[in-house]
Amino acid sequence: DAKTTQPNSMESNEEEPVHLPCNHSTISGTDYIHWYRQLPSQGPEYVIHGLTSNVNNRMASLAIAEDRKSSTLILHRATLRDAAVYYCILRDRETSGSRLTFGEGTQLTVNP
Amino acid sequence: DGGITQSPKYLFRKEGQNVTLSCEQNLNHDAMYWYRQDPGQGLRLIYYSQIVNDFQKGDIAEGYSVSREKKESFPLTVTSAQKNPTAFYLCASSLTSGGPLTQYFGPGTRLTVL
Repeated sequence: DAKTTQPNSMESNEEEPVHLPCNHSTISGTDYIHWYRQLPSQGPEYVIHGLTSNVNNRMASLAIAEDRKSSTLILHRATLRDAAVYYCILRDRETSGSRLTFGEGTQLTVNP
Repeated sequence: DGGITQSPKYLFRKEGQNVTLSCEQNLNHDAMYWYRQDPGQGLRLIYYSQIVNDFQKGDIAEGYSVSREKKESFPLTVTSAQKNPTAFYLCASSLTSGGPLTQYFGPGTRLTVL
């Protein structure tokens, strides 16, 4: 699977928007972009996914660059409960099947 | 409620003993996965199964074994051959076709080998 690069850590203030970047310069045309997050001492949970177009759901928005070499997860109003490790993962629907390969993610700290 | 259960939450074992971690799901998912997580690191895939009675090695299968006799269950045995078994173990499940193939995770088992 193509590799992703994320900052090790980011900080935000409560009730402010957060933009979490992910670079994936070797992405292929069949790679889906997935985001999961992991709260302390818990299993990861799905946040959002996309292929080419920007996506919104109740948790977040995903903005995908036109060349697909980068994407940004947007939390519109951070809360203390959003403090977690956020993983950006590429899944090749043609070769990986349902497998996901996790990197080290971005540790998001939310300040009150 | 539908979901994935793992038991126990905390497990202590002496070095050299085999130990089996339980994972059960009632989501009717075909695929199940076992991951290992060490402090400050991401998840690494140990084994996965796409269908009953079939499973494949992940990236770090050495020292582990699994079985998939029922769709709902995917137990992981940590054998004495695993050199550094102390870790946080996570089980997940997913569909294998249609949609984003979202993986749903259990609460994890924290294994400490003394």
